[in-house]
Amino acid sequence: QLQLQESGPGLMKPSETLSLTCIVSVGSIKNSDYYWGWVRQSPGKGLEWLATIFWIGSTFYNPSLQNRVVISVDTSNNRFSLKLTSVTAADSGTYYCAASGNPYHYGSASFDYWGQGTLVSVSS
Amino acid sequence: DIVLTQTPLSSPVTLGQPASISCYASQSPVHSDGNTYLSWLQQRPGHPPRLLIYKVSERFSGVPDRFSGTGAGTQFTLKISKVEVEDVGTYYCMQAARFPRLTFGGGTKLEIE
Repeated sequence: QLQLQESGPGLMKPSETLSLTCIVSVGSIKNSDYYWGWVRQSPGKGLEWLATIFWIGSTFYNPSLQNRVVISVDTSNNRFSLKLTSVTAADSGTYYCAASGNPYHYGSASFDYWGQGTLVSVSS
Repeated sequence: DIVLTQTPLSSPVTLGQPASISCYASQSPVHSDGNTYLSWLQQRPGHPPRLLIYKVSERFSGVPDRFSGTGAGTQFTLKISKVEVEDVGTYYCMQAARFPRLTFGGGTKLEIE
């Protein structure tokens, strides 16, 4: 069973760049049975998919954020990251990293495993 | 993009009784490989989401068999045969017709009466 753990800055100011990292502590990020993604949840709101990456570097973005977000993978350290530029208060919330079952390997095409989430607050 | 609409927004249920949550898709979430990638996730208060059902009706590893998923086309349903206290939380449907691009429904809050 995969285990994922996010880390982030906690408190930020508007216009800064948010940097998040997800360490895959159990399992390999080069496991082709999974894609690796980020989902966020604004306070008291629903879930929003942000971006997904495959270990070889293929990237996929939510069109609503595509010009502000970059996802990357570091296979040497078994982790992947997200950067979100020009943050505002609307970017506050809990950010989750998660592993998607690869449907091309008979996986779920959903998010099988989740980290515990990291809370980000944007305030001046 | 496919929009998912869940009903009801909130569902008060009695312990031991069945519960049902619906998810309506603006278009069929069928992938080019022929599979319908519609899943259901549970989020208990203060916890991350947890996968319950994928590909409409497949139960994920470790999920109790009181949870079941049905549906086809643009209408899908999550059923809980007998609600337990630990089932309290918010339930989301999710589609991945253009995997890995995906969208979530707005959520349904399950509460005990």
